[in-house]
Amino acid sequence: EVQLVESGGGLVQPGGSLRLSCAASGFTFSTYGMSWVRQAPGKGLEWVSVIGGSGSTTYYADSVKGRFTISRDNSKNTLYLQMNSLRAEDTAVYYCAKGQTTWTFDYWGQGTLVTVSS
Amino acid sequence: EIVLTQSPATLSLSPGERATLSCRASQSVSSFLAWYQQKPGQAPRLLIYDASKRATGIPARFSGSGSGTDFTLTISSLEPEDFAVYYCQQRSNWPLTFGGGTKVEIK
Repeated sequence: EVQLVESGGGLVQPGGSLRLSCAASGFTFSTYGMSWVRQAPGKGLEWVSVIGGSGSTTYYADSVKGRFTISRDNSKNTLYLQMNSLRAEDTAVYYCAKGQTTWTFDYWGQGTLVTVSS
Repeated sequence: EIVLTQSPATLSLSPGERATLSCRASQSVSSFLAWYQQKPGQAPRLLIYDASKRATGIPARFSGSGSGTDFTLTISSLEPEDFAVYYCQQRSNWPLTFGGGTKVEIK
């Protein structure tokens, strides 16, 4: 059974940093691309970043480019999102999602809430 | 950036009725479009990928159609568990984008 479990969310002040983790199990982690997708309170889904199976390919939404860094440790079956220079508009539930063969997401974690506020 | 426009924003229907949801892309995405269902407090669930292929375990009452810029998700006969928000997503171009969602509510 595929499982994705996010952690690392919480309350952070504007300008602060946070690192999210997503522990994966139930599939060959290194074979699949992974993504972070966020959802602001009461709003729709917003794609944030993706990373290829080997970690050598990454893409970012313009809204987070230069501030967020996606990475993965295939030996630990874990996906990360390092978030720096956080803004109020980054407040959201952050989901990690498993890529299918390409950038369609067939499994999702339950999400971790990030709140940026003073 | 490819903008996906979903309509209607809200669809009020009764169980057993047919639901037709629309997703229109600002430029062609070929068949690289997916549909997700999200219930309150839950993560999204993949329903349809590549415009018309049902994901694993998805009931046959869900079907997708379209290509290019116009896509449709059809639920042939609404079950109580189908009342939720539905999102489309394109993977044709970077950045990946989602539509704004259609809420299917009980009439």
